[in-house]
Amino acid sequence: AQSVAQPEDQVNVAEGNPLTVKCTYSVSGNPYLFWYVQYPNRGLQFLLKYITGDNLVKGSYGFEAEFNKSQTSFHLKKPSALVSDSALYFCAVRSSDSNYQLIWGAGTKLIIKP
Amino acid sequence: GAVVSQHPSRVICKSGTSVKIECRSLDFQATTMFWYRQFPKQSLMLMATSNEGSKATYEQGVEKDKFLINHASLTLSTLTVTSAHPEDSSFYICSASRMEGAGLLTDTQYFGPGTRLTVL
Repeated sequence: AQSVAQPEDQVNVAEGNPLTVKCTYSVSGNPYLFWYVQYPNRGLQFLLKYITGDNLVKGSYGFEAEFNKSQTSFHLKKPSALVSDSALYFCAVRSSDSNYQLIWGAGTKLIIKP
Repeated sequence: GAVVSQHPSRVICKSGTSVKIECRSLDFQATTMFWYRQFPKQSLMLMATSNEGSKATYEQGVEKDKFLINHASLTLSTLTVTSAHPEDSSFYICSASRMEGAGLLTDTQYFGPGTRLTVL
């Protein structure tokens, strides 16, 4: 079965420190991976996606993610966190075996403390 | 680019009435649109996939007669919650898939800002 795991419900980081939000996936075919961010009472905003090619993908707001096929992971990273990065982050995966639907992780709440 | 609007952003209605929510892709054409429901502190639950000019595909457990979806054009999809009840109160989010040339698997979904429905 297709699935996405975000093992941490919440991540706390001090402003200025690097941040990592973890995501692992399980799909049968080739994975196509996405990260979205959701601010309170808002829809989701697209951050970045991995389709093919370079394993390090750069996205919006200084975020990047690294695709690791052997570990089936796609962790979201940022070198220096901002208070304004505090939000809910969702990882999603799509494959030819998921009927083209996005399979969503449960979300990770990121809290950046001043 | 890739902006999706949703209207209304918030609606309060009486039990038994119907509510229509509109989802528009403002600067791109969307062959496929999606309707999600999100409960507090939970992930997104896909309700249905809407393709322009054809009937929507509903997920298991979603009542198609209660949640009517119409995708009349490449930029507009509507969700009508019929005979709404308090248990239908939720945050409804639509998304539109922008064709980016490499196929359905790689197209990015862009999301609307969501509609908070409260049924009294």
